Amino acid sequence: DAGVTQSPTHLIKTRGQQVTLRCSPKSGHDTVSWYQQALGQGPQFIFQYYEEEERQRGNFPDRFSGHQFPNYSSELNVNALLLGDSALYLCASSSPPGYEQYFGPGTRLTVT
Amino acid sequence: DAKTTQPPSMDCAEGRAANLPCNHSTISGNEYVYWYRQIHSQGPQYIIHGLKNNETNEMASLIITEDRKSSTLILPHATLRDTAVYYCIVRVDNYGQNFVFGPGTRLSVLP
Repeated sequence: DAGVTQSPTHLIKTRGQQVTLRCSPKSGHDTVSWYQQALGQGPQFIFQYYEEEERQRGNFPDRFSGHQFPNYSSELNVNALLLGDSALYLCASSSPPGYEQYFGPGTRLTVT
Repeated sequence: DAKTTQPPSMDCAEGRAANLPCNHSTISGNEYVYWYRQIHSQGPQYIIHGLKNNETNEMASLIITEDRKSSTLILPHATLRDTAVYYCIVRVDNYGQNFVFGPGTRLSVLP
């Protein structure tokens, strides 16, 4: 049973560019959440998608947007990249009856 | 902000039990206690969660005090591979609820 997968593993972008990160949830999961983890800190919630809709959003600017596809996979898009967007981006999936979230390995984004 | 308080770091000898405390004095009646861990540069790994009864699985045991204001995660026989940051999180089990991670406890298992 494949767990949560994310691509790419690493990414280097320049300030002002745009980036798209991808996530495939664990088999049987229908909900995808995205987190940002800066170096030395705990993950911070960005948003959550369910039934192709954004259900909840954390304290992140509109430069961060997402999408969920009919097969439950998801994308995270970040526009106008800033140096401060350099972080590990984590995707987590979940589904009832358990509400625990299962995390992928993350995408390490470096903005130069 | 995270609703839990954890010591920033702990050491444990290999083969001994690791007992990681967590204070959640403002926990609500419908909030669960979750534990995750994160090994360096990997995604967080779910360990265990509970509401008010003690829980045990193949990874760990979770002991919640009767007043639910604190809990302890127990790794019965710590190995070097258990070296990680351990996060204690309280959360309502509803759709749309995310996890609010604090700084966690950095556990170092020493040979």
